[in-house]
Amino acid sequence: KNEVEQSPQNLTAQEGEFITINCSYSVGISALHWLQQHPGGGIVSLFMLSSGKKKHGRLIATINIQEKHSSLHITASHPRDSAVYICAVSGNYGGSQGNLIFGKGTKLSVKP
Amino acid sequence: DVKVTQSSRYLVKRTGEKVFLECVQDMDHENMFWYRQDPGLGLRLIYFSYDVKMKEKGDIPEGYSVSREKKERFSLILESASTNQTSMYLCASRIWTDTQYFGPGTRLTVL
Repeated sequence: KNEVEQSPQNLTAQEGEFITINCSYSVGISALHWLQQHPGGGIVSLFMLSSGKKKHGRLIATINIQEKHSSLHITASHPRDSAVYICAVSGNYGGSQGNLIFGKGTKLSVKP
Repeated sequence: DVKVTQSSRYLVKRTGEKVFLECVQDMDHENMFWYRQDPGLGLRLIYFSYDVKMKEKGDIPEGYSVSREKKERFSLILESASTNQTSMYLCASRIWTDTQYFGPGTRLTVL
């Protein structure tokens, strides 16, 4: 069983729709990260959070530590939001303190 | 802005060749990482380094080695490239447990 699970794997939306991507994890963490990867490969960190909620523009990330669950929301989606969104967690894993464990990603396609 | 650069965006090599992938960061970060990314498997950690000349194995170190002679530079070496090492390779750096900053990636094809 993967330690970080994302759903859905693939998501197609119409421009303007509200989008939610979910992430569940099974290990103790110090922080959860949401990353964005556009076609071509480069990865950008969107959020790092350990509690509550963070907002940046049309993106909102929430985390529920008790339920070991996080969501990434995109309001008023746009075709330029099309990308792979990756959830990752960091914490103490053996000798690799703070290293990330990644989910497999959610591929989002927003149609005009 | 933090900048992480990788020596090549695309690379084609032959089986058995020695391959060097270089990563440079300009923000004096202590920690540097090499990942590979494959469809359906996500990002997997190959090696990481938390200081100059220090290195630790990640989840899939077999067939790879690394070198960190200077703080800003972290090299990944494929001693004898094989076709199963065809992949996207991503470098990242960070200050301790803070946000990781990724390079643009190198898509390596081994023929």
